[in-house]
Amino acid sequence: EIVLTQSPGTLSLSPGERATLSCRASQSVSSYLAWYQQKPGQAPRLLIYDASNRATGIPARFSGSGSGTDFTLTISSLEPEDFAVYFCQQRSNWPLTFGGGTKVEIK
Amino acid sequence: QVQLVQSGAEVKKPGSSVKVSCKVSGGNFRSNGISWVRQAPGQGLEWMGEIFPLFGTANYAQKFQGRVAIIADELTTTAYMELSSLRSEDTAVYYCARDLCSTTSCQMFDNWGQGTLVTVSS
Repeated sequence: EIVLTQSPGTLSLSPGERATLSCRASQSVSSYLAWYQQKPGQAPRLLIYDASNRATGIPARFSGSGSGTDFTLTISSLEPEDFAVYFCQQRSNWPLTFGGGTKVEIK
Repeated sequence: QVQLVQSGAEVKKPGSSVKVSCKVSGGNFRSNGISWVRQAPGQGLEWMGEIFPLFGTANYAQKFQGRVAIIADELTTTAYMELSSLRSEDTAVYYCARDLCSTTSCQMFDNWGQGTLVTVSS
């Protein structure tokens, strides 16, 4: 199965700063990569699908890029509600798998 | 607006089974797949399997083959996940999640249930 490695494990930033999160796949997943946000006690929320497409209702400050094995989620200017854990997920190969997550915390 | 509402928390003994329900309201129940994803305490997300109500077919991650069953009841627009031979490592929050795509499985999830905590303890 494809292993997704997310880095860093924790990102400490202040509101208004730019956040750059990485997801690396153990083999190519083409553009079949999604990003989710999860807050404590809540279900994940789809942010980005197929590497760069924002899901319905997702603010423009969230953007995704990459293809093959290297992907990036960028939050252009952190809002207070953006501090959360972010997971990537691939759907290229069976079974679908998730990365271990990056926690974005307030500095 | 699509909503997924899951059944309540469960406490189970090792070796027993648990069945979690996921009631889907809004949208077309038949046309979108429903997956089950679990999350152990403080851990990441793990996909268990999916069902496509339109075709009545279920697919499971190899790790859970033989131990999990996912079914869909069109009359009540409810999906169910049953996990058997429970062990302590199965303690987790179990989520149902609706596939983003209609009439095909694209395995991206834009609607999630609230989660059901299953605790396995003697």
